[in-house]
Amino acid sequence: GQNIDQPTEMTATEGAIVQINCTYQTSGFNGLFWYQQHAGEAPTFLSYNVLDGLEEKGRFSSFLSRSKGYSYLLLKELQMKDSASYLCAFYRDAGNMLTFGGGTRLMVKP
Amino acid sequence: DTEVTQTPKHLVMGMTNKKSLKCEQHMGHRAMYWYKQKAKKPPELMFVYSYEKLSINESVPSRFSPECPNSSLLNLHLHALQPEDSALYLCASSQEVRAGNEKLFFGSGTQLSVL
Repeated sequence: GQNIDQPTEMTATEGAIVQINCTYQTSGFNGLFWYQQHAGEAPTFLSYNVLDGLEEKGRFSSFLSRSKGYSYLLLKELQMKDSASYLCAFYRDAGNMLTFGGGTRLMVKP
Repeated sequence: DTEVTQTPKHLVMGMTNKKSLKCEQHMGHRAMYWYKQKAKKPPELMFVYSYEKLSINESVPSRFSPECPNSSLLNLHLHALQPEDSALYLCASSQEVRAGNEKLFFGSGTQLSVL
């Protein structure tokens, strides 16, 4: 089967670090995406990992372990504007159908 | 220009109405997509167009009819919708549809309410 699992909600404090996990199962893997979506707005691309390891991009980093079917998004120095849903996604059947996990709603508190 | 523009932003329609959602991109992308998103749920793929031809229809009811007049435009024609079709409809584009590593650019969506 093919599925993606993420925690539904997380809460963190401004200035802190938070890690959002994503586990997946798929028969054909071509990399894993992370998107950010603020309420009522479009999803925006954050990162893409196709090789194992950590990709750092400013305050955001994304990690992939293909053997474990596991990824995480690490957000550092949290800001209030980081309150959003974070969606991990992959292309189903290694084709052209980008499939999203349920998303993790992150609430950043002062 | 890295924008995908959708109109209208909000739409309220009755179950007997006919309406259309419009999407436009000028990035030279050859793949365009329609996604449906219910509140607090992830986007779900509806249709994929590749080089102006419909390549994927995810078993969407015929009351939703997509159209791709040219490489920059994508429409979604709506007819005889049900209240459960109320959702955010997102358009997206990517350079091509190929190896499964294309980054999608999303529009802000049309928030549709069916009464």
